[in-house]
Amino acid sequence: QKEVEQNSGPLSVPEGAIASLNCTYSDRGSQSFFWYRQYSGKSPELIMFIYSNGDKEDGRFTAQLNKASQYVSLLIRDSQPSDSATYLCAVTNNNDMRFGAGTRLTVKP
Amino acid sequence: GAGVSQSPSNKVTEKGKDVELRCDPISGHTALYWYRQSLGQGLEFLIYFQGNSAPDKSGLPSDRFSAERTGGSVSTLTIQRTQQEDSAVYLCASSRGRWGTVSGKTQYFGPGTRLLVL
Repeated sequence: QKEVEQNSGPLSVPEGAIASLNCTYSDRGSQSFFWYRQYSGKSPELIMFIYSNGDKEDGRFTAQLNKASQYVSLLIRDSQPSDSATYLCAVTNNNDMRFGAGTRLTVKP
Repeated sequence: GAGVSQSPSNKVTEKGKDVELRCDPISGHTALYWYRQSLGQGLEFLIYFQGNSAPDKSGLPSDRFSAERTGGSVSTLTIQRTQQEDSAVYLCASSRGRWGTVSGKTQYFGPGTRLLVL
């Protein structure tokens, strides 16, 4: 069974702190890795994707990938209350995309 | 510009009836994806089209589910003999290229169709 695992949370951080979201996957053939943000009652929106080992930074967001450990993470610096949402990790090979169940993040003012 | 649109936005049906869900991707996007999200659950991939072809249909939950895409644009997802466990939000997404390509790495999601089977 090809699995994508995320801590369901809720993860609560104070405003201005770093939020760290983690995801592990079981399929070593996975090629691309995505982080989506989903506000309650809304469709997912892509935050970042990464496909090479290491870090990828975009504004306050940093994605980290370690294929040897089958681990991908998302760091949110200077967290804002508007970052409060569910964050979905997704993993693809050529044929399908599998999502984790999501981590619910709450940023408290 | 127009994003991905889906219709209907909400659908209530009786168990055993057939339903058809429609997705209009962003113009020029060759790849189209269907997902399902049950209440409080993560996204479940259903099927992916590159042009009019679906390379892999194994994500469809059962043979009651089928999908087609014509003209490389609009797609319909049909659920026959609906069951209560089919109740979910059905999301469609499109991307410029297919998975595994640089142009395919960004998917744009539609607003979803909320299906309730009574």
